[in-house]
Formats: sequence, C-alpha cells, structure tokens
Amino acid sequence: DAGVIQSPRHEVTEMGQEVTLRCKPISGHNSLFWYRQTMMRGLELLIYFNNNVPIDDSGMPEDRFSAKMPNASFSTLKIQPSEPRDSAVYFCASSPTGETQYFGPGTRLLVL
Amino acid sequence: ELKVEQNPLFLSMQEGKNYTIYCNYSTTSDRLYWYRQDPGKSLESLFVLLSNGAVKQEGRLMASLDTKARLSTLHITAAVHDLSATYFCAVDNNTNAGKSTFGDGTTLTVKP
Repeated sequence: DAGVIQSPRHEVTEMGQEVTLRCKPISGHNSLFWYRQTMMRGLELLIYFNNNVPIDDSGMPEDRFSAKMPNASFSTLKIQPSEPRDSAVYFCASSPTGETQYFGPGTRLLVL
Repeated sequence: ELKVEQNPLFLSMQEGKNYTIYCNYSTTSDRLYWYRQDPGKSLESLFVLLSNGAVKQEGRLMASLDTKARLSTLHITAAVHDLSATYFCAVDNNTNAGKSTFGDGTTLTVKP
C-alpha cells in the first residue's frame, strides 16, 4: 500500500490567495483527519470525517477554512483567503474507525 | 473534555541511560497510542495499548498502560542517538468514536 498521499508537498503563496490541500487516504480506512502543526501551537486537530461525513470540525480555526470529502478516496482542505498565520505543516491521517492513525507526509505551507 | 498531558516536554539524556516519559489523561478511555515524529518528518505509530496492564515492547522502547490511574509510560532503555525524536501519546475519546486527543509531545535528545 502506498500509504496516505498528500499533495502538494510544499506550497508557497501570497496572502489573500486560495490554497487547496489534497489527501488520498489508505484504501479501506473509513476515518480521515486533518491536522495542523506549528512550533507555537503544536499538533492541532482541525476536522475529522467518518465514512465521508464530517463528525467534528470544532478545530477549524475560522470560516476561511473548509474541508470536504466527496468520496472515500479523496479529501480537500481549502483556505480562502490565506494569511501568513496559516503557515504550518498540514497533515492528513486515515484509520479504520477507532484504530491507529496513519499519517501522510504533510504539506508545508508558507503564506507570504 | 478529554485532556492529555505529557511530561517532560523536553528531555536530554546521555547514550546508555534509562528514562521514562509519562502520559496522563483525564477521562476513561479504551485505547492509547504512542507515535514518533522525527524532525521534519511525519508521525508514525509505535504502539497501541488496549487494556489495563497492557505492555508492548519494541527494541529499546517499552510502553505500558494503567487505565485505573489513567497513566501510560514510555520507558527508554539504554538510549541511543537514533531514538532522538518527538514522542506523542494520543488517547481515544470514548464518547466520540474515532477521535484521538494528542498530548503536546516529548522531544527527546540523546547525546553521545
């Protein structure tokens, strides 16, 4: 298995631009998670889906952030408009429900 | 709300020494996980602990779980430089199936 796939791996954009991060979970996993990691705030859970349905989005910082999971093999996290404080590493993880999470390699986002 | 507390947050130790990292959590849980993150990399699963008294070992790392005390320990035996990383514990929320709450991580540096 290829593991969790994220794209892009690196993204540099200017403030105000739209950013879309993509994730392909491991086949057969029915839970998907989006995390953000920074030095200041550590690892934060943004949102998680179970069977493609958003279960808990209480970690989404504000309305500029949105996440979708249109099918079992694809999810997006969108930031519009982006701000410098959104600069972070964004991880996607998947798991069978209630089991170990498998993390993707992450997307390093820099907003100038 | 489930809270997970790790200590210490930073640990510097010499090669060959033993040490223990602690993970306390605030509410009843059936599952606890330990993850490792190398600098600039993603998180990878080390152990899953499912029951009171569970003990798992791999190489120089041993994890245990005491559900009555709501405490897990990660014991490092005869540390080597390759163990330098950040270690996270994560606890499943029994009332929100599939969602894990992560501790802040313990950054371990093993010096020659």
